[in-house]
Parts: sequence; structure tokens; C-alpha cells
Amino acid sequence: SQQGEEDPQALSIQEGENATMNCSYKTSINNLQWYRQNSGRGLVHLILIRSNEREKHSGRLRVTLDTSKKSSSLLITASRAADTASYFCAIILTGGGNKLTFGTGTQLKVEL
Amino acid sequence: ETGVTQSPTHLIKTRGQQVTLRCSSQSGHNTVSWYQQALGQGPQFIFQYYREEENGRGNFPPRFSGLQFPNYSSELNVNALELDDSALYLCASSLGWSSTDTQYFGPGTRLTVL
Repeated sequence: SQQGEEDPQALSIQEGENATMNCSYKTSINNLQWYRQNSGRGLVHLILIRSNEREKHSGRLRVTLDTSKKSSSLLITASRAADTASYFCAIILTGGGNKLTFGTGTQLKVEL
Repeated sequence: ETGVTQSPTHLIKTRGQQVTLRCSSQSGHNTVSWYQQALGQGPQFIFQYYREEENGRGNFPPRFSGLQFPNYSSELNVNALELDDSALYLCASSLGWSSTDTQYFGPGTRLTVL
């Protein structure tokens, strides 16, 4: 079974609004990463947050990590139609090298 | 573009057949990982190769096997195909296999088993 669970499963917003996706996991991690996938094709790495970090920014992306609650959130600010995609969190387990364990994903649709 | 390519793009096979999927990693990347993504699910780790040796395996049966070659190409072989093997198969390359080595994914091969 997959370690990560994402919430919501699907999200529809208007262009310019912010989108927030949440990820929960069950075990000890080394780091947590977020990926984007367009139309069932390859995944694109967005951001990595280490287990000793609480918040990280990259452009319009803001990621938080709460290891006590075993949860993370991805915030996309000022969304654009081009942000329409599926977003996955993926955890790196402690001692797991760089093997990724993915969540179930959030489908984001940004409408004009 | 991640610089990782996969072939073929789509493939249709019959139950019981064998299939070989190919991946070309970024130059200099010594590690390749393979993932299976069923429709509507997140990718699941199949196995990883580092410098042509298997370096970890997920919960997949032995009929899933792989090879990695010195020219940064690799293969995923699946024998005795089952209907449940229908999925998108993704390869990802990375410099190494430390926890912070980013994986760069190819566009995937969509396999349909009839």
C-alpha cells in the first residue's frame, strides 16, 4: 500500500486563486518531495524538503512539513491555467536511499 | 525536458507474452529507477540499478527484471504478462542514490495487456 495519502483528491479553482494540497504519511522520513504530472505523462520534480526543515519556497510554490503530525502541504500562489496537472507527494524513508514512495495524488484544474 | 527518454511510447501485448521497455538516462547518471503507475494511482517503485547492479527492489514478482548498460541505457523486462500489468511504466535517472539525489523522469511507456 502507498504510504502517502493526499487531500483533496481533486481541486478546481479559478486562475489567480491559490491552491493548497495536503499530504499525510505514516512513518519516519528522510525527506519529502513534490512532483507534478501532466496528462498521465512523466513527472517533474518541484521541490524537496528535508525532515529537519519546516518550510521551503520556490517561486510560486510554498511547502511546509510537520514531522510531528506526519503531514506536508503544497501551496501554489496566483495559479495559472498551465498549473493544471496532477500533483504527488513522495517520501524518502529513512535509510531508503532515494527510492520514492508516492501518494495518491491531487488533480488540480485551474480554469480561466 | 528532463533529458530522459523512453521507448516505445505505447505498446499493446497479449496476456502471457513478454515485453521489453527501454530507457535512456541523462549522461553521467549512474542510477536508474523504474516505477509502475496504474491508472488513477501514484507510481510504485519496481527496482533500481546503480552502475549495472540491482540496488533495491519493490514488491514486484521476479517476472519483472531489469538491465542497465554502461552507455546509460536500461531495460525493464516483464515475462508472462498479466492483465494487471497494464500501466504507465516510468524510468527515472539520478546521479547517485543518496536521499537528496533528484530523480529525473522520462515520459513513460503506456503498456496495455489484452
